Amino acid sequence: AQTVTQSQPEMSVQEAETVTLSCTYDTSENNYYLFWYKQPPSRQMILVIRQEAYKQQNATENRFSVNFQKAAKSFSLKISDSQLGDTAMYFCAFMYSGGGADGLTFGKGTHLIIQP
Amino acid sequence: GAVVSQHPSRVICKSGTSVKIECRSLDFQATTMFWYRQFPKQSLMLMATSNEGSKATYEQGVEKDKFLINHASLTLSTLTVTSAHPEDSSFYICSAQGPAYEQYFGPGTRLTVT
Repeated sequence: AQTVTQSQPEMSVQEAETVTLSCTYDTSENNYYLFWYKQPPSRQMILVIRQEAYKQQNATENRFSVNFQKAAKSFSLKISDSQLGDTAMYFCAFMYSGGGADGLTFGKGTHLIIQP
Repeated sequence: GAVVSQHPSRVICKSGTSVKIECRSLDFQATTMFWYRQFPKQSLMLMATSNEGSKATYEQGVEKDKFLINHASLTLSTLTVTSAHPEDSSFYICSAQGPAYEQYFGPGTRLTVT
């Protein structure tokens, strides 16, 4: 079974700063996906970014980018030019891709607060 | 695109009764849907995988007779909490799997059992 660890329960930064959220995972699988999801107070889960394990290139989506270190089993999320609307819970998630249909294993989350 | 709805958004029921939660993919077909549970200030925990036309697969520790899942069509999965008790009070979230293994989440259902 896989585990996902987010070691930062809460982080707070000033608007426009850059912030990095940490995530490590443990798995014996070689084929998998990694995700970052955002959950604002509405509790709607929003996909921020995804990374296929077989891709060496780090995924980027506008202000969001990841640092994927497969050997170290690390998958951090960097948010550049942070905005007030980025305030939310952020969950790192793992999904095995070899079985065709697998659920997500989530970390405990990081509560990110963007201060004005 | 890729919108998933859940109904109801909130439900209050008495202990011992059953409640059904619907999860619909509105603009795509989903062979597979998932049900998660989230307690206050905690993460999401996968409860079961719902496959259209076949029996659901439950995670270890989830009572399949208590949480009945039916995936009757490619756009609808239902979760029925049978003989609900206060400890079943939680936030239930479904997701539908897209063609590239991405999961699209519904807005969730807050269940309160009194």
